Amino acid sequence: RKEVEQDPGPFNVPEGATVAFNCTYSNSASQSFFWYRQDCRKEPKLLMSVYSSGNEDGRFTAQLNRASQYISLLIRDSKLSDSATYLCVVDTGTASKLTFGTGTRLQVTL
Amino acid sequence: SQTIHQWPATLVQPVGSPLSLECTVEGTSNPNLYWYRQAAGRGLQLLFYSVGIGQISSEVPQNLSASRPQDRQFILSSKKLLLSDSGFYLCAWSVSRVAGYTFGSGTRLTVV
Repeated sequence: RKEVEQDPGPFNVPEGATVAFNCTYSNSASQSFFWYRQDCRKEPKLLMSVYSSGNEDGRFTAQLNRASQYISLLIRDSKLSDSATYLCVVDTGTASKLTFGTGTRLQVTL
Repeated sequence: SQTIHQWPATLVQPVGSPLSLECTVEGTSNPNLYWYRQAAGRGLQLLFYSVGIGQISSEVPQNLSASRPQDRQFILSSKKLLLSDSGFYLCAWSVSRVAGYTFGSGTRLTVV
């Protein structure tokens, strides 16, 4: 089983739609969780951390389910500018290393 | 504020030539530093990480090496490049795993 698994997509959604991405992780000792956004041919950028109680940042909501070992990202009212690849990131439980999922591609269309 | 610099942005090198990519961080002390590679259409692969000067951990055996001669400087090298070394090389820093990583803008390497 991969350490972090994501549906690669692509998810093609119209502007204004709500879209959700899920991610599963294998290491039950993981404590830190993140969603990163990567635009084409650019570096990944931190979108938001994921907290145990769930957290929201504007149109973005992140949830963590430790029992099932999955993380989700919900994007409401999608914008064209949300088109990107979204990377699920989990700490390895040791040292200072994070493991990145291969990403889910989102394409928002008119 | 902290910034991370990575250069060059683009590099085309012949097979068998040497490589040196440099990454520097400003505005923080004793950061954890990382080198990642992303092959076209693929995920991020951790190559090396360092928790201090002279301390390098290698994740993937290959013809690449890394060095950290100063606290905020991380260098990725190769003596002889292979075609398979082509990719997008990213340097990142963090102060703790709770804070996540911040990436440099990357170097796109094409080995021809």
